[in-house]
Amino acid sequence: SQQGEEDPQALSIQEGENATMNCSYKTSINNLQWYRQNSGRGLVHLILIRSNEREKHSGRLRVTLDTSKKSSSLLITASRAADTASYFCATGEIQGAQKLVFGQGTRLTINP
Amino acid sequence: KAGVTQTPRYLIKTRGQQVTLSCSPISGHRSVSWYQQTPGQGLQFLFEYFSETQRNKGNFPGRFSGRQFSNSRSEMNVSTLELGDSALYLCASKMAPSTEAFFGQGTRLTVV
Repeated sequence: SQQGEEDPQALSIQEGENATMNCSYKTSINNLQWYRQNSGRGLVHLILIRSNEREKHSGRLRVTLDTSKKSSSLLITASRAADTASYFCATGEIQGAQKLVFGQGTRLTINP
Repeated sequence: KAGVTQTPRYLIKTRGQQVTLSCSPISGHRSVSWYQQTPGQGLQFLFEYFSETQRNKGNFPGRFSGRQFSNSRSEMNVSTLELGDSALYLCASKMAPSTEAFFGQGTRLTVV
């Protein structure tokens, strides 16, 4: 079963705009990771944020984590056509840190 | 540094057969996990191995099994294949439990 929900399920924006995706989860976590997947291929690791961190940046990516609300957001700034993909959040649970529990993902489409 | 390598990339099997998938982790990574991805269930954890020992197992029937060798390479086996086993099988490697998990390109299994 999935850990939580990702919102929205699909997002379509114009190139150059910012894209924001949200993720909610249910249990206490050790960390939260975001991944990108292109057309049913492998998952590309984007960023990891630990439970004691509130915000993290990597290039055009900004991730926030609110453990009190059990939610995270991924912001992609100045989007490009190559950012078109599905984006997943995955939580590493405290009790089961060895496995990742994934959301259903957000399908992002960047229109040129 | 080479990434996670999964072989084969594509497989077509008939119901009742068995299949073995292979995963070579990133050099130095001792943890290997397997995930199944389907359109209906999303990404689901199968099992995780560390130093040749299975440490964690997901909610899958006993037809799904795996093992890890002394060089950290892992294999996953599915016996008595069913149509519902058609999926993308992803392998991920980690250096330690609470660190980033890096995924391979996956093996696309089709059961006919």
